[in-house]
Parts: sequence; C-alpha cells; structure tokens
Amino acid sequence: NSKVIQTPRYLVKGQGQKAKMRCIPEKGHPVVFWYQQNKNNEFKFLINFQNQEVLQQIDMTEKRFSAECPSNSPCSLEIQSSEAGDSALYLCASSLTGMDTEVFFGKGTRLTVV
Amino acid sequence: GDQVEQSPSALSLHEGTGSALRCNFTTTMRAVQWFQQNSRGSLINLFYLASGTKENGRLKSTFNSKESYSTLHIRDAQLEDSGTYFCAADYGNEKITFGAGTKLTIKP
Repeated sequence: NSKVIQTPRYLVKGQGQKAKMRCIPEKGHPVVFWYQQNKNNEFKFLINFQNQEVLQQIDMTEKRFSAECPSNSPCSLEIQSSEAGDSALYLCASSLTGMDTEVFFGKGTRLTVV
Repeated sequence: GDQVEQSPSALSLHEGTGSALRCNFTTTMRAVQWFQQNSRGSLINLFYLASGTKENGRLKSTFNSKESYSTLHIRDAQLEDSGTYFCAADYGNEKITFGAGTKLTIKP
C-alpha cells in the first residue's frame, strides 16, 4: 500500500525535551503533509510542503513546532519543548499534488511525553 | 470552516453481515478518500473517488458530489475488517479534512 517511511515508530520524551521525527515521502511525491492524531482519534493538520517550500501551516506549528523538507534528506517535524498535550500519533503523508490526488500515509510516530 | 460529519461513530456487525458508513460534507469538494486504521495506527487506503462508485472485493464506495456525501458499504464482514474507518475530504485547500471516524467491531 503506502511507501511513506516514518521513523521512529515510538518516541518517549520528558516534558521540556525536544522530540524529532522523520519522514521519507513516496518516491516522486513532492507534497508532504504532517497530521497529529490525538487519543480521541481526531486529526489535526499541522503543515504541508511542496518540495522544500511550506504551503501552509497552523499557528501551533509556527510557535513550538518546526518542520522542514530539505532536498535529498528526510523531512522532519520537531517539537522544541515537549508538553504532555503533545502526546499523540504523528502521521506523515505524501502525494503528487496538494489536491486532486490520492494521499498516502506512513505508519506514524507515536509520541509519549511523560 | 470546512467540516466532515461521519456516521455512525461506532458499529458492531456479526461476521457475514453488512452495513454502510456515511460522510456528509459542508460544501462542494473535489474528492473523498476512505481509510481503514488498524490497531497499530496504520492508515490503509481503501478508496479515492472524485465522482461515482468504486468497488473492491467486499467494499464499495460512492461519492455524490452534487449532494455532498459519500458512503462506504461493507458486505460479508470478516473479523479482519475490524478497525476504525475514516473518510477524508479534499476541499481544494491543499490538505485533506478527516471525519471523526467509525469504530467497526466484527463479532464471530
């Protein structure tokens, strides 16, 4: 099914620590998305990229979250100072374009902030 | 903002039976995707529809763009169909918007 690769699968951090997760999009997919899925199964869009450029991001991403998709390297999402409320499943996805095409997800990184 | 209403929130079926899940959309959208999320959290792509109906084995999905809804029909349910099913809408705003999910339990 999906060829989006996310690492690590599980991440445990203390409050205030940095948490970094990585994503390799499916080959040939220039658009990358990050979503957060909380314990109530609700999805929240965080940020998306076309190649190395940010297309759009939500406010919370701008403040404590940083993300990048450098050329020839995995994309990454980093939480600068983890909070308990950041505990969630972080899902990376990729597609050929930002709309009108199918989106494929990786298996996710499950972050637990203790 | 753009929302997706998904129903039911939970569904229990006996093996061999079937049912339908539904998503209503708040405005015109370009396409819908359906996913199954397993117990480990992996999202499996089931269908991508810009219009009409698609069928794959025991699953069938329809997207009615005029009336802004989509359905996912499951027939002859098997134990491995258990999981949470999500629809997601492409509203043309460069991301997909998820419904709240349907937790499906298949009983022997």
